[in-house]
Formats: sequence, structure tokens, C-alpha cells
Amino acid sequence: SSELTQPPSVSVSPGQTATITCSGDKLGDTNVCWYQQKPGQSPALVIYRDIERPSGIPARFSGSHSGNTATLTIRGTQAMDEADYYCQAWDSSSYVFGSGTKVTVL
Amino acid sequence: QVTLRESGPALVKPTQTLTLTCTFSGFSLSTSGMCVSWVRQPPGKALEWLAFIDWENDEYYSPSLRSRLSISRDASENKVVLTMTNMDPVDTGTYYCARTVSSGGSCLDDPLNLWGRGTMVTVSS
Repeated sequence: SSELTQPPSVSVSPGQTATITCSGDKLGDTNVCWYQQKPGQSPALVIYRDIERPSGIPARFSGSHSGNTATLTIRGTQAMDEADYYCQAWDSSSYVFGSGTKVTVL
Repeated sequence: QVTLRESGPALVKPTQTLTLTCTFSGFSLSTSGMCVSWVRQPPGKALEWLAFIDWENDEYYSPSLRSRLSISRDASENKVVLTMTNMDPVDTGTYYCARTVSSGGSCLDDPLNLWGRGTMVTVSS
């Protein structure tokens, strides 16, 4: 099955922009979604179909996808955005998760 | 209100079979487009998708774990059951169930839009 690679960690100052990438050899063949997981909590969907935001997700979260790389951008990052973020795509008949990125708001 | 809740043993011994139940409310797995997945997460590690079952009772499994997994549903009781055989300490982690609502003919293009709180399973003798 395919693998999705993310940077292990991203640090950002409050109010600045955090950028998280997700890369995979087969990512060009599928759309991508992103989940936020805060400590001790279940994952929550923040982006689906590359760029769509579920109801209730703030507009500071946005997604993009080009070729084999997808990107989650958090503009005007807030302390409450500190969490682990996972990309997810599909490979044949399987869901595939990325390796995860810990976002720290300094 | 849509909810999912996982239940099962907190501790299993190596080589035993794990049986987990996802009990859900607020939707029917018999409704076209509905799917329920299982995802696990070892402590401090990444998410790993295990399996899902859809409204047509079709089953999909992680290729790396297919031989050990079985997923089934009791649509009348709003439950999805996952069994995993030959448990090992590396299988220790939190096990989540999650729902997908397909906008097309398959859940293989739609996200896990609602998750349960998870249940922690420890494999130890």
C-alpha cells in the first residue's frame, strides 16, 4: 500500500501561518482530507476533498493539492490549533493515513 | 444527533482474539451511502485504518491486516463488530470507529466525518 509522508513537527507563532505538507507517490490519483487530533481526543475532520471545510471549521483552515503533494494551511494560528494533524487519502480499496504532524504554537 | 461508541475488553492476552463493538445512533447503516470504519492508534503513534463495512454489507480491509480481521454489522441493532485474531503486544492502542457518508457510490472517496471516543486495548500476558 502507499505511504503518506508528513513533517513530524511544525512550530508557529500565534497569528502566523502554519503549513503542513503531505506527500505520496499515488496522491495525484485521489483527493485528500485532513484531521485534527488534540491530546486525549478523537480525530476531527477539518478538510475534505482537498479544499472543502466541514460546517463549523474556521475559515483559517484551508487545503490545497497539486500532483503528489497536498497542503494544509492554518492562517492566523491560534493557541487552540495546537494539535496533531493527519492527512488521509485512498489507495485501491483502502484508506491511508499520513504519518502525522505535531503543530506547536509557541 | 449522531453518535458512535466503542466497547470491548481493556486487556487481552497475546494470541487471543479481540472483539470490539461500535454502537451508533442517529443514522442507519442500511441507508444508502453509509459506512462504518475501524481505525486504531498505538500510544504516541499515527492513525491506522483497519476496515470498513458499507450499507450493502460489503467489507473492505487493510491489506496488511486482512488475514486477521473480520467486520460485520447488525443493522437492526445499530452495531458494527470487529474481530482481530492472534493479538500481539504491538496491537496495543486506542481503537476508534468512525462514520462515512458517501456522496457517490462508494465510501472510498469520502472522509471519516464523525468519530467515536475510542477504546483503549492493551495486549499483555
